[in-house]
Amino acid sequence: KQEVTQIPAALSVPEGENLVLNCSFTDSAIYNLQWFRQDPGKGLTSLLLIQSSQREQTSGRLNASLDKSSGRSTLYIAASQPGDSATYLCAVKSNAGGTSYGKLTFGQGTILTVHP
Amino acid sequence: DVKVTQSSRYLVKRTGEKVFLECVQDMDHENMFWYRQDPGLGLRLIYFSYDVKMKEKGDIPEGYSVSREKKERFSLILESASTNQTSMYLCASSLRGFKQFFGPGTRLTVL
Repeated sequence: KQEVTQIPAALSVPEGENLVLNCSFTDSAIYNLQWFRQDPGKGLTSLLLIQSSQREQTSGRLNASLDKSSGRSTLYIAASQPGDSATYLCAVKSNAGGTSYGKLTFGQGTILTVHP
Repeated sequence: DVKVTQSSRYLVKRTGEKVFLECVQDMDHENMFWYRQDPGLGLRLIYFSYDVKMKEKGDIPEGYSVSREKKERFSLILESASTNQTSMYLCASSLRGFKQFFGPGTRLTVL
């Protein structure tokens, strides 16, 4: 059974710092990995998706990497801003026989606070 | 942009009531999902559907059923609501193998 762990559970940084959020998963047979952002009381917003054959994806100040063999992904946020404060969730899509029907397994999330 | 809408943001029901949660997406996505999110337990998949009239159980289907009569609409049904079904319910949709897009969520309270 796939298990996804995110470290740290919470992180508080001053504005302008670069930071790294970590995600690990137990079964390396994945289809893809997705990073989400969730603001309090709201739904999830997809940030980046990395297919199993890819090593990284970038969007603006965000960069996500994937090391499938070691079961790890990192989300790098450059020059953090107070508006980045949210919960960040990592989710792994299992490789259901090579199809895209595999379900997502979510980590518990990292609560990020960026203070001015 | 993909839009996923859910019928209610907040809902209060009584134990034993039948509850319908509706989800609609406007991007012709094949896949649709229902999750619940609880503190300390994270997001857990209840049911998903990869085509009209098709459904698959997720991790915690007990006490729930679903209906997908049209491609854009995926309904979650609580046949007889119980207090342990008080939660945040999130709907999502995706093209096969691509990003999942989430709705704003429905916070359901069962008294």
